[in-house]
Amino acid sequence: SAVISQKPSRDICQRGTSLTIQCQVDSQVTMMFWYRQQPGQSLTLIATANQGSEATYESGFVIDKFPISRPNLTFSTLTVSNMSPEDSSIYLCSVETGTGAPSYEQYFGPGTRLTVT
Amino acid sequence: GQNIDQPTEMTATEGAIVQINCTYQTSGFNGLFWYQQHAGEAPTFLSYNVLDGLEEKGRFSSFLSRSKGYSYLLLKELQMKDSASYLCACPGANNLFFGTGTRLTVIP
Repeated sequence: SAVISQKPSRDICQRGTSLTIQCQVDSQVTMMFWYRQQPGQSLTLIATANQGSEATYESGFVIDKFPISRPNLTFSTLTVSNMSPEDSSIYLCSVETGTGAPSYEQYFGPGTRLTVT
Repeated sequence: GQNIDQPTEMTATEGAIVQINCTYQTSGFNGLFWYQQHAGEAPTFLSYNVLDGLEEKGRFSSFLSRSKGYSYLLLKELQMKDSASYLCACPGANNLFFGTGTRLTVIP
């Protein structure tokens, strides 16, 4: 298993500003992911954070809007840039340890609740 | 591509049994996950099925039929704390693809 922390846990931001969310894992992990969960909806994958290379973005998400860093195997950041009210959501970091069974199992951080006014 | 369907909401009575269904269409199959998510919290792993049949784990069981592209989560002896969203998910190339989730409300 893995223990994941995220900072901040919540924030209220003005439109046009940017917020960087941090994700810290208590062990080295191969795969780190960033999800968005809009109110009352399920999780949508934004991107896979790759250590040592650019993140891999899903359809509908672009690097200019959601730049991601992955400087090492225990840490990643997601920035929500030039925010609008439509970006109000919960942002979740998750990891796949790649060990044990099932190898696809992911562990989730507590999430960051973002409100854009 | 991938497509996962679940009912949006269900209500059941404390002490009863409830079955939450999930149908999926995936390009390639690497198993099916069920996650539980309480309001305001992160999803937590419940079960993983890769072979056909029923996997029992205490009050929770999960069933898979690969030929039918169908799974269900069975919750027995429902408790109030089981009120949560239940997410069905299938692995993609390097990630999990989630269904919309089923919001279960347990009533006294």
